[in-house]
Amino acid sequence: SYVLTQAPSVSVAPGQTARISCGGNNIGSKSVHWYQQKPGQAPVLVVCADSDRPSGIPERFSGSNSGSTATLTISRVEAGDEADYYCQVWDTNSDRCVFGGGTKLTVL
Amino acid sequence: EVQLVQSGAEVKKPGESLKISCKGSGYSFTKSWIGWVRQMPGKGLEWMGIIYPGDSDTRISPSFQGQVTISADKSISTAYLQWSSLKASDTAMYCCVMGTTLDYFDYWGQGTLVTVSS
Repeated sequence: SYVLTQAPSVSVAPGQTARISCGGNNIGSKSVHWYQQKPGQAPVLVVCADSDRPSGIPERFSGSNSGSTATLTISRVEAGDEADYYCQVWDTNSDRCVFGGGTKLTVL
Repeated sequence: EVQLVQSGAEVKKPGESLKISCKGSGYSFTKSWIGWVRQMPGKGLEWMGIIYPGDSDTRISPSFQGQVTISADKSISTAYLQWSSLKASDTAMYCCVMGTTLDYFDYWGQGTLVTVSS
């Protein structure tokens, strides 16, 4: 089955840029989506289809996808961005949804 | 405004049955996918399955096949997740999710906490 790999944690200072990676076999051929989950809350879609932002998501959130890695980039990081971030794809080969293990973003 | 309103927290004993619900509003219930995601305490997201209420097309994760039933009643815009015999390992938060396509989940419910303990 298809596997998505994320680093467990990423730390960044306020105002800097955070890059959260999601690795998968030929992931560049798939459509990757990203969710933000703050403590005690349900996840929220922040990037879909590799790089599209849903309505209401700040422009500071952007995504890219190529080769074996997809990346969620958060510019000018704020304390309120501290959360767990999950990547997700729909694997058409197995006809199932796959989530990455999640990355905890800590704002120093 | 799209809303997914889930039923309240449940405390059950091992072996008991349970059916939790998720009522959708503010969108076309029969023309969107609605599904379930499990999150065990302190752990990540696990996709359980999804249903298209318009024609009842259902996809279930192999990890949950035979363990749960996913259904929907389009007359009341409500999706269900059902267990016939709960285990302690079913203790988790269960979120319903909605997607206009099968690809990703535009909206999430607030979650239903299920606790299974003797």
